[in-house]
Amino acid sequence: DQQVKQNSPSLSVQEGRISILNCDYTNSMFDYFLWYKKYPAEGPTFLISISSIKDKNEDGRFTVFLNKSAKHLSLHIVPSQPGDSAVYFCAASGTGTASKLTFGTGTRLQVTL
Amino acid sequence: DVKVTQSSRYLVKRTGEKVFLECVQDMDHENMFWYRQDPGLGLRLIYFSYDVKMKEKGDIPEGYSVSREKKERFSLILESASTNQTSMYLCASSLGGRAGNEQFFGPGTRLTVL
Repeated sequence: DQQVKQNSPSLSVQEGRISILNCDYTNSMFDYFLWYKKYPAEGPTFLISISSIKDKNEDGRFTVFLNKSAKHLSLHIVPSQPGDSAVYFCAASGTGTASKLTFGTGTRLQVTL
Repeated sequence: DVKVTQSSRYLVKRTGEKVFLECVQDMDHENMFWYRQDPGLGLRLIYFSYDVKMKEKGDIPEGYSVSREKKERFSLILESASTNQTSMYLCASSLGGRAGNEQFFGPGTRLTVL
């Protein structure tokens, strides 16, 4: 039972354009959502997070939007750069779970020149 | 600079061998986690620990055990390795105290079981 879903396994975007990565979840008890970026042969690195009390969080070129009623979040990268090419994982956490995260299956982003 | 280290980057073992994967963090974090990453399946939680000598099963604990004798060290043990345990293993740590705390990951160990 996949509680966090990333339905697009891959995405290709031109340099300078917007990248939009999507994530859906089914567990209404999730309170925090995080995005991680992973390069080959490296561990994932934290990118940005959002609490369920917010609907938007911005950090430089990265913005995460949360739509609680739709149980949907998205990561926007503007402008996209070749160095953004990586696998992006969405993750969710509920309260009282020792920061346990449930991850999606990932979306591979390719930023082309 | 925060750091999570894993004992090996690459490991090749034979079916039936006992395998130890070690993870050390230098951030004084309460929580530590072991995941495996497989194509098309994302990161799946095997076990986690929220304190020394404490452990909790994750989503796929079968065939694995863990040990946390010291706060900074969390070991994953494959009692009798099988070919379906060939995977990338990732260790992570995070602060305790509230949900949603960022997890810091090690570089991963790619384990091949022949």
